[in-house]
Amino acid sequence: NAGVTQTPKFQVLKTGQSMTLQCAQDMNHEYMSWYRQDPGMGLRLIHYSVGAGITDQGEVPNGYNVSRSTTEDFPLRLLSAAPSQTSVYFCASGRPGTNAFFGQGTRLTVV
Amino acid sequence: SQKIEQNSEALNIQEGKTATLTCNYTNYSPAYLQWYRQDPGRGPVFLLLIRENEKEKRKERLKVTFDTTLKQSLFHITASQPADSATYLCAPGKNYGGSQGNLIFGKGTKLSVKP
Repeated sequence: NAGVTQTPKFQVLKTGQSMTLQCAQDMNHEYMSWYRQDPGMGLRLIHYSVGAGITDQGEVPNGYNVSRSTTEDFPLRLLSAAPSQTSVYFCASGRPGTNAFFGQGTRLTVV
Repeated sequence: SQKIEQNSEALNIQEGKTATLTCNYTNYSPAYLQWYRQDPGRGPVFLLLIRENEKEKRKERLKVTFDTTLKQSLFHITASQPADSATYLCAPGKNYGGSQGNLIFGKGTKLSVKP
């Protein structure tokens, strides 16, 4: 099993560009989540999903879109990147009643 | 609003001693609490989960307590080793039985164990 796979690992964007951060899990987990981690701020929840076709907002959803068309994939879209979105992004998945499994992260820089 | 506080940003201890990390929460009543370890440049890794009806849970050199009256969890590492150096995160959860994907984390405590 690969677990939770995030791509790319590193990305540099220019302000205003769009991109999609990919997240895939092969453990048949029901829920998937996106977090961002900034120095001094800890992990903050952006969006999450409890199953295919169901998504909900977390603490810091503005500027990000998600969709969940399959159990395996949960992409995070930045429609118009801003320097404030420079961060490390983590995807996680899990089953109700168990812990979360995290990917290795995507380090995004917006210039 | 819900608030999670971990006792300090950094904790330095000597090898062989017991490290004690604190997680306090306010304005909600979690049904369980999880602890994770995060190494630099990597994603968090799950360590232990304790439910509201459990006072204590152990796993090898790790021990977690959960006091719903004090709204506090303590995380202990006994006989600490330099390899235990990492950032430790707590995450109280509201949905009984485990996370539904909306775990909220504390900012973490960076533990350094000196030889």
